[in-house]
Amino acid sequence: DAKTTQPTSMDCAEGRAANLPCNHSTISGNEYVYWYRQIHSQGPQYIIHGLKNNETNEMASLIITEDRKSSTLILPHATLRDTAVYYCIVRVWAAGNKLTFGGGTRVLVKP
Amino acid sequence: DSGVTQTPKHLITATGQRVTLRCSPRSGDLSVYWYQQSLDQGLQFLIQYYNGEERAKGNILERFSAQQFPDLHSELNLSSLELGDSALYFCASSSGTGELFFGEGSRLTVL
Repeated sequence: DAKTTQPTSMDCAEGRAANLPCNHSTISGNEYVYWYRQIHSQGPQYIIHGLKNNETNEMASLIITEDRKSSTLILPHATLRDTAVYYCIVRVWAAGNKLTFGGGTRVLVKP
Repeated sequence: DSGVTQTPKHLITATGQRVTLRCSPRSGDLSVYWYQQSLDQGLQFLIQYYNGEERAKGNILERFSAQQFPDLHSELNLSSLELGDSALYFCASSSGTGELFFGEGSRLTVL
């Protein structure tokens, strides 16, 4: 699986959009970008994933650059409950593939 | 609620003892994954089972073992426990869509 680089931490104002960057310059053509988050000591939660097109669901939007070397997770209206560690993971899509977690970005949403 | 159930939620035991952690995957999911999260470390992949067979192995100690039963539930056995084994242990399951769904974890404290 390709390696990813994320900022260690970032703050965000409640009600504002949170933009979480991720670099994955060695991504392969068959690797997807996945985002998970972990709210303090809870199990990681799937957010969204994509291959090359931008994706949106009820939780977030995922913007992937045309060269696929980086992506941005957007939380459109951050709430205090969005405070968590966010993990960007690149992996080949397959039903049986494990996830390899890096350090993630610790996001603190402030009132 | 991810649909993945882990028991027990909390466990306190002494060094040298043996414990068993149990995981019930989401209905229909064939893959089960075990992860360890220590206080000062990230999520470490331990082992994966697919339909009863070991599929992938990570940084799992020889004192640890796991299995997946015909009804697809899985157990992680930790023996000769040491203080450093104190951690959160997460189980996840996945279906054909590729996302992993995590349980709420079992917090093990070794005294």
